[in-house]
Amino acid sequence: SYELTQPPSVSVSPGQTARITCSADVLPKQYAYWYQQKPGQAPVLVIYKDNERPSGIPERYSGSSSGTTVTLTISGVQAEDEADYYCQSVDSSGTYVVFGGGTKLTVL
Amino acid sequence: QVTLKESGPALVKPTQTLTLTCTFSGVSLNTSGMRVSWIRQPPGKALEWLALIDWDDDKFYNTSLKTRLTISKDTSKNQVVLTMTNMDPVDTATYYCARMNYYDSSGYVWGQGTLVTVSS
Repeated sequence: SYELTQPPSVSVSPGQTARITCSADVLPKQYAYWYQQKPGQAPVLVIYKDNERPSGIPERYSGSSSGTTVTLTISGVQAEDEADYYCQSVDSSGTYVVFGGGTKLTVL
Repeated sequence: QVTLKESGPALVKPTQTLTLTCTFSGVSLNTSGMRVSWIRQPPGKALEWLALIDWDDDKFYNTSLKTRLTISKDTSKNQVVLTMTNMDPVDTATYYCARMNYYDSSGYVWGQGTLVTVSS
C-alpha cells in the first residue's frame, strides 16, 4: 500500500488563493480526486480526474498536476470554503482506493 | 436522482459482527460500470477505504482489514452489504457507502453515512 501526503492545515484570508497539495509516487500514473467535507456532513466531490470540476461546483475550485504532486486551488476564498479537504487516488493496479490524511482549510 | 442511504446498528458490542446496508435508488446496481465502495471515518480522523464491489461482482478489500470484511450485493433489493467481524472500540466510526462510474472515472458520490459505536 502507499500513502497520499497532504499538509495538515492551510490558512488564508478571505479573497486570497488557497493551495492544498497531495503527493505520492503513483500520481503521475493515476487520477486524483478532491473531496470537501464540512463538519457533520458527508464528503462532496469538488475535483475529479486531476482537474475536472463537477457540475454545481464553483469555478473558483480548480485542480492541477505536476509530477508526483497534485494541487487543489481555491481562488478568491470565501468563508463557506472552510472545511476539511481530502485527496483520493488508487494504487498502481488501478483498484485499491487510497485517501490522503486530509487538510483543514481555515479562512481567517 | 440517484441516492444512497446507509443503515445498520448504531451500537455494537466488542467481538460482535457488524452488518451495514447501502440502499440505492434511482439506478440499478447492475448498471455497467457501477462501482460501490465502503469508507469509514473515526471521529476527528481521516477517511479510510474499506472495500469495493463492481457491477460484475468483482470484490476488493483493504489489505489490512481483509480478514474481517465481506462485501456483497443483492441486486433484487438494490443493496450493497458490508460485514465486519470481531468489532473493537477502535472501529467506532461513521461508515459511508459511495458510488462511482468505473468507465468515466468521475469520482465518488457519497451517502450520508451512519455512525457506529463499539462499546460494551
